[in-house]
Amino acid sequence: ETGVTQSPTHLIKTRGQQVTLRCSSQSGHNTVSWYQQALGQGPQFIFQYYREEENGRGNFPPRFSGLQFPNYSSELNVNALELDDSALYLCASSFRGGAEQFFGPGTRLTVL
Amino acid sequence: SQQGEEDPQALSIQEGENATMNCSYKTSINNLQWYRQNSGRGLVHLILIRSNEREKHSGRLRVTLDTSKKSSSLLITASRAADTASYFCATSPLGMDSSYKLIFGSGTRLLVRP
Repeated sequence: ETGVTQSPTHLIKTRGQQVTLRCSSQSGHNTVSWYQQALGQGPQFIFQYYREEENGRGNFPPRFSGLQFPNYSSELNVNALELDDSALYLCASSFRGGAEQFFGPGTRLTVL
Repeated sequence: SQQGEEDPQALSIQEGENATMNCSYKTSINNLQWYRQNSGRGLVHLILIRSNEREKHSGRLRVTLDTSKKSSSLLITASRAADTASYFCATSPLGMDSSYKLIFGSGTRLLVRP
């Protein structure tokens, strides 16, 4: 059984640029959630995808968008990057209706 | 915004001692989970306790839940240096699908000194 994987591990961008982060769900999981974790804070929910549609969103602006593909992998896209977007971005997969979410190792994004 | 707060924010103990971390949350929940995070990397699921449970054990971990006080505690017994990490509680809000968003607290940084 393959766990949740994310790519890239680290990324450096400049303000105003766009970024795409990728996540492969754990085998058999049909739901993927994205979280942003600022330094020294707990993760904050960005959004969740189920059956390729957004299934709930946290308090993040529209420049944060996502996709889920038929194989349940997912992308997080952030446009017009701001300095405050610097954070660890975590992807988590789960079964619909399952309580436990399985997290990937994260992507560390630095915006200069 | 964070759902809950962990207390203490940081904890330093000697190897072999017990570590207790507390979590308070604001809204009614389906369940509460504890996660561990090493060095700012991915989160590892430790234990889940449902809203109708009061206590749960897993190995050296003991979790309690008091829904009337909206609080939980995580006890790690006989701590080891490898337990050094940040620990987060996360709640699943009542009324939502249980695989819906998790709301995390701000975490407790645990240092276990050899």
